[in-house]
Amino acid sequence: AAGVIQSPRHLIKEKRETATLKCYPIPRHDTVYWYQQGPGQDPQFLISFYEKMQSDKGSIPDRFSAQQFSDYHSELNMSSLELGDSALYFCASSLRVRTGLNTEAFFGQGTRLTVV
Amino acid sequence: DAKTTQPNSMESNEEEPVHLPCNHSTISGTDYIHWYRQLPSQGPEYVIHGLTSNVNNRMASLAIAEDRKSSTLILHRATLRDAAVYYCILRDESGGGADGLTFGKGTHLIIQP
Repeated sequence: AAGVIQSPRHLIKEKRETATLKCYPIPRHDTVYWYQQGPGQDPQFLISFYEKMQSDKGSIPDRFSAQQFSDYHSELNMSSLELGDSALYFCASSLRVRTGLNTEAFFGQGTRLTVV
Repeated sequence: DAKTTQPNSMESNEEEPVHLPCNHSTISGTDYIHWYRQLPSQGPEYVIHGLTSNVNNRMASLAIAEDRKSSTLILHRATLRDAAVYYCILRDESGGGADGLTFGKGTHLIIQP
């Protein structure tokens, strides 16, 4: 079965540069989530989108932005990168059933961002 | 989101049952109890979720206390591949609640051969 696809898998950037991470959800899933996991830390929710509209916002820095496109893929844009942004970034997707409840989220393998 | 409390780590032997506890004394009526796990170097993986009644699926069982202030994830026969960090997460699914999952500290499950 198709899973959540994230690209790139690894990314190395210098301080103050910009990075764009991409996420392709499971086909027919309408909700996308982004999470950040620092070294030795637990995943932290950043932001989510449902039907291309921002649905929920977590601890996403102002330097980061994200959007969901008409084909439901999502991109996380990160500017003015700092050393502390080095982390694993996970994307997850789910299907919001007609009752409006979110079912389980399926996570991708993550993008490992290293800022040097 | 209401908070959950789990032991930092637990150890079990291969092919034995494992009971992972979670306390959530401030749970609200619209909070579902979700369990996810994260294997080394992988993204989190959904395990099971429930509201009031005990739940079973191919991966595990979820036992929910009658007052809903605690729950237990049961792995019936642990294998080495079950070694992971297990997260107990409350999620308000009333339709007006937050979408994102709030991961706490989780329980690091160690399986001995």
